[in-house]
Amino acid sequence: QSLLTQPPSASGTPGQTVTMSCSGSTSNIGENFVYWYQQLPGAAPKLLIYRNYYRHSEVPDRFSASKSGTSASLTINGLRFEDEADYFCATWDDGLRNWLFGGGTRLTVL
Amino acid sequence: QVQLQESGPRLVRPSQTLSLTCTVSGGPITSGTYYWTWIRQHPVKGLEWIGYMYSDGDTYYNPSLKSRSVISPDSSERKFSLTLTSVTAADTAVYYCARSNGATSGRGFQYWGPGIPVTVSS
Repeated sequence: QSLLTQPPSASGTPGQTVTMSCSGSTSNIGENFVYWYQQLPGAAPKLLIYRNYYRHSEVPDRFSASKSGTSASLTINGLRFEDEADYFCATWDDGLRNWLFGGGTRLTVL
Repeated sequence: QVQLQESGPRLVRPSQTLSLTCTVSGGPITSGTYYWTWIRQHPVKGLEWIGYMYSDGDTYYNPSLKSRSVISPDSSERKFSLTLTSVTAADTAVYYCARSNGATSGRGFQYWGPGIPVTVSS
């Protein structure tokens, strides 16, 4: 059971907006940056967002993220079929002295 | 353009040692301020950070794996490796090498290898 909680699934239709959450605690999200990764089927994870809300190079501006307190969220605007993937949040935990990953949210584009 | 590629055995016997290598293109691993990282993905448990090696050779490990893990550079300066001892079925996972530019607050794991599936079984 991951210390970063993500809903296991989310869905939307093309063009819609989808938001997925990542919940942690003071020792991890509360005190450190949040990162978001996209994992397409059969591929390695790819960095989408770093330091809470900065888009990695070549990531479309349809992707945005935010953080508040001990939670973070990733929003995808103008959903596309190619966005169907698993999305993971990640952060450092000061108490555990360890990188943590959320369990991932599987996005289905209907 | 930075590219990483994992290599090594895909089947390891229980209690044996797992050894993987990551080959890096785009520059020597001793240059820059980078953290050369190993991460694994279990079928059920998900992503787990194993540890990293800084460009100067310093290392830091996941506390839960520290006693069994060693990340070290290769003399070629284009490779680094992971050694995991006394493996069990719980070590079955896809293993990724990756690069970041910060220990805990950089720009994230920016580059990843494609991953190598490793099964621990007799």
